[in-house]
Amino acid sequence: KNQVEQSPQSLIILEGKNCTLQCNYTVSPFSNLRWYKQDTGRGPVSLTIMTFSENTKSNGRYTATLDADTKQSSLHITASQLSDSASYICVVSARGDRGKLIFGQGTELSVKP
Amino acid sequence: DAGVTQSPTHLIKTRGQQVTLRCSPKSGHDTVSWYQQALGQGPQFIFQYYEEEERQRGNFPDRFSGHQFPNYSSELNVNALLLGDSALYLCASSLGGINQPQHFGDGTRLSIL
Repeated sequence: KNQVEQSPQSLIILEGKNCTLQCNYTVSPFSNLRWYKQDTGRGPVSLTIMTFSENTKSNGRYTATLDADTKQSSLHITASQLSDSASYICVVSARGDRGKLIFGQGTELSVKP
Repeated sequence: DAGVTQSPTHLIKTRGQQVTLRCSPKSGHDTVSWYQQALGQGPQFIFQYYEEEERQRGNFPDRFSGHQFPNYSSELNVNALLLGDSALYLCASSLGGINQPQHFGDGTRLSIL
């Protein structure tokens, strides 16, 4: 069964600190992995998309890594800001499924002043 | 350039009723996917429309149906509403293959009393 699991479920950090969120998946055949940020009451917004051949991708203070052999990904947030408080969702797409996405349950990040 | 728009933003229904939710994709996008997001959970794939046909479907009963119009906009219909149908319903649009990013609307919050 295709699954995406994220850890931790929730995280509280102080403003200015770094943090790393984890994602493990069992989706096969793998096509690409995405990280989304979802603010409360809003739709998810794409941060990064990585295909099988990519092992790192950055978007400003967000850096995602992918290890396709171990089927793990991480999202590293540098110098966190209060506006980074949101749910971060790892999403995997299986090859052959046009746009069908398998979502993790998300990590709820809270950045405190 | 408008992004994905969904209507209504909020809706309250009672058990047994029927509901129709609407989605206008981002300009230039031809594929629309619908997701159900329960509180505190990641989105679950309902189905996807391309060229006015349902192309893929998740594990949702036949009470959930949809339609795509020639202008690429889409509707999600849910019959015989149950309390468990209370959720945020997200629409996402994309163009082309699975490596293309999906753009999400802010969803319709459906509450069943």
